Amino acid sequence: AQKITQTQPGMFVQEKEAVTLDCTYDTSDPSYGLFWYKQPSSGEMIFLIYQGSYDQQNATEGRYSLNFQKARKSANLVISASQLGDSAMYFCAMREEGASRGSTLGRLYFGRGTQLTVWP
Amino acid sequence: SQTIHQWPATLVQPVGSPLSLECTVEGTSNPNLYWYRQAAGRGLQLLFYSVGIGQISSEVPQNLSASRPQDRQFILSSKKLLLSDSGFYLCAWSVLGSVETQYFGPGTRLLVL
Repeated sequence: AQKITQTQPGMFVQEKEAVTLDCTYDTSDPSYGLFWYKQPSSGEMIFLIYQGSYDQQNATEGRYSLNFQKARKSANLVISASQLGDSAMYFCAMREEGASRGSTLGRLYFGRGTQLTVWP
Repeated sequence: SQTIHQWPATLVQPVGSPLSLECTVEGTSNPNLYWYRQAAGRGLQLLFYSVGIGQISSEVPQNLSASRPQDRQFILSSKKLLLSDSGFYLCAWSVLGSVETQYFGPGTRLLVL
């Protein structure tokens, strides 16, 4: 089974609008971390935001926020006030941090990504 | 501040030739190091993981190998490249901690012909 599912291969948003990128995850480990990365056309993976499974509040970093719904196992990324420079591929990732940690080497499981295009 | 370097940035190699990709990290000690591969239009696949000098864990053996001769140096190698080895190779580092975010290098684009 897929650990991370990103169902939107592509999303379009107008500049200055908000956009939500979907991510659902699958784990039986009660302790885990969720990450979002941005990959512009240059290829480098840029860390955006982190949410721990025990964090009570949704994570925020500037214009990025993570809509964490634990019961639904979803961790959607919300980008507010989109900018042209936000056009990129966005990846959701998860690391299992509890009992599974030893066998998974603390690896990150990545989704297939969502290509975001911001238009003027 | 920490920085991570990868070279070369781009590589075109014939099938059957050897491969050596290098990754170095600056500004931190005893990092965890990772090699990932990204095929076109797909997410990242973990290839190797290292917690220290000479300590390598493999996720995908295939015809690739990794070595860590120094604390902040991680090398990805192959004796004979296959067409299927083409892709974008990313090195990443992290340090033990509550979040343990992985930070990525600029990557190497490998095309095997």
